[in-house]
Amino acid sequence: GAVVSQHPSRVICKSGTSVKIECRSLDFQATTMFWYRQFPKQSLMLMATSNEGSKATYEQGVEKDKFLINHASLTLSTLTVTSAHPEDSSFYICSAKGTGAQPQHFGDGTRLSIL
Amino acid sequence: AQKITQTQPGMFVQEKEAVTLDCTYDTSDPSYGLFWYKQPSSGEMIFLIYQGSYDQQNATEGRYSLNFQKARKSANLVISASQLGDSAMYFCAMREGIHNNDMRFGAGTRLTVKP
Repeated sequence: GAVVSQHPSRVICKSGTSVKIECRSLDFQATTMFWYRQFPKQSLMLMATSNEGSKATYEQGVEKDKFLINHASLTLSTLTVTSAHPEDSSFYICSAKGTGAQPQHFGDGTRLSIL
Repeated sequence: AQKITQTQPGMFVQEKEAVTLDCTYDTSDPSYGLFWYKQPSSGEMIFLIYQGSYDQQNATEGRYSLNFQKARKSANLVISASQLGDSAMYFCAMREGIHNNDMRFGAGTRLTVKP
């Protein structure tokens, strides 16, 4: 089946640090990638959608200058949390899909803890 | 407005029995897709089953089946012969339209399988 690799799986860092999370589709071309955030015991909330080669579309309430998304190729998207603060601590999950009515395939998530 | 509703925060089922997880949705778009994902405590999202709005038959995948009642706008997941490894969070999700790519998730149901 389709595989999406997300790295790193866990990050612990100090407040003010910028953190980059990578999301790769390993065996298919991901025309669209999605970034979600999940707080404990809550559902996944879509942060942004990115199509290869174009700017990401952010959901209402998500700061695009704080959560930088780059989707430079059909197999890689990155999310950079700039100047992270404790309130940014969360579980971040990426997903990717190809064209047509295909399911999204998810990475294993990144647990981000800001001290 | 909430488009995907999962009314059962938690469910218990005895091992080897069947269980139904409820999901209702709201959309005015005639073309949409419905998905179920499983999220174990480790966090990864595992795709289980997909139902397209124009599909005539209910989707089935092994022990998973989707009870699709279009007029009622419900897409309940049925897990037959529950196993201990089925204990996890289960999310229902919907993707609207032909060109719209993003997926919205319900609040989730925590399923616990008892030995």
